[in-house]
Amino acid sequence: SYELTQPPSVSVSPGQTASITCSGDKLGDKYACWYQQKPGQSPVLVIYQNSQRPSGIPERFSGSNSGNTATLTISGTQAMDEADYYCQAWDSSFWVFGGGTKLTVL
Amino acid sequence: EVQLVESGGGLVRPGGSLRLSCAASQFTFSSYEMNWVRQAPGKGLEWISYISPSGSTMYYADSVKGRFTISRDNAKNSLYLQMNGLRVDDTAVYYCARDRSGGDIWGQGTVVTVSS
Repeated sequence: SYELTQPPSVSVSPGQTASITCSGDKLGDKYACWYQQKPGQSPVLVIYQNSQRPSGIPERFSGSNSGNTATLTISGTQAMDEADYYCQAWDSSFWVFGGGTKLTVL
Repeated sequence: EVQLVESGGGLVRPGGSLRLSCAASQFTFSSYEMNWVRQAPGKGLEWISYISPSGSTMYYADSVKGRFTISRDNAKNSLYLQMNGLRVDDTAVYYCARDRSGGDIWGQGTVVTVSS
């Protein structure tokens, strides 16, 4: 079965750029998306089709996908961005999630 | 407002059954692929099932195959998950999610606890 690997945690200072990676075999050949989940809340889609932002998602969120790695980048990180982030791709019609990355803003 | 609302969770003994529902509103439910995703306490997201817009195609994660059944009633704008043979490790928050190049709409989740 297809697997996606994320770092368990990433730390960033306020105002700096945070990068969260997601690795999978030939991931660049698939579409990847990213979710933000805050404690006690449902996931929110922040990037779809590798680099597209849904309406209402701030411009500081961006994404890329090439080779074996998809990357979520948060520019000018704010305290409100502290959350768990999950990448997701498709294996045939199956959703596959990465294990999640806890972003700490300190 | 476009939304999904899950219901049907609760406490059940191992080996028991539950039926989860997901009510959709303010969008053309019959046009969308739908998924169930769960999250065990303190753990990550786990996809468990998919259904096509017409309901003719379903997929399951290996962890629930043969025990869970996904279905939908487009006339009632509703998605379902019949869960049989529940196990302690099925304990989780269960979410329904609309698939539009990713899960663009998620419900608030319903808690399923399997314990003796």
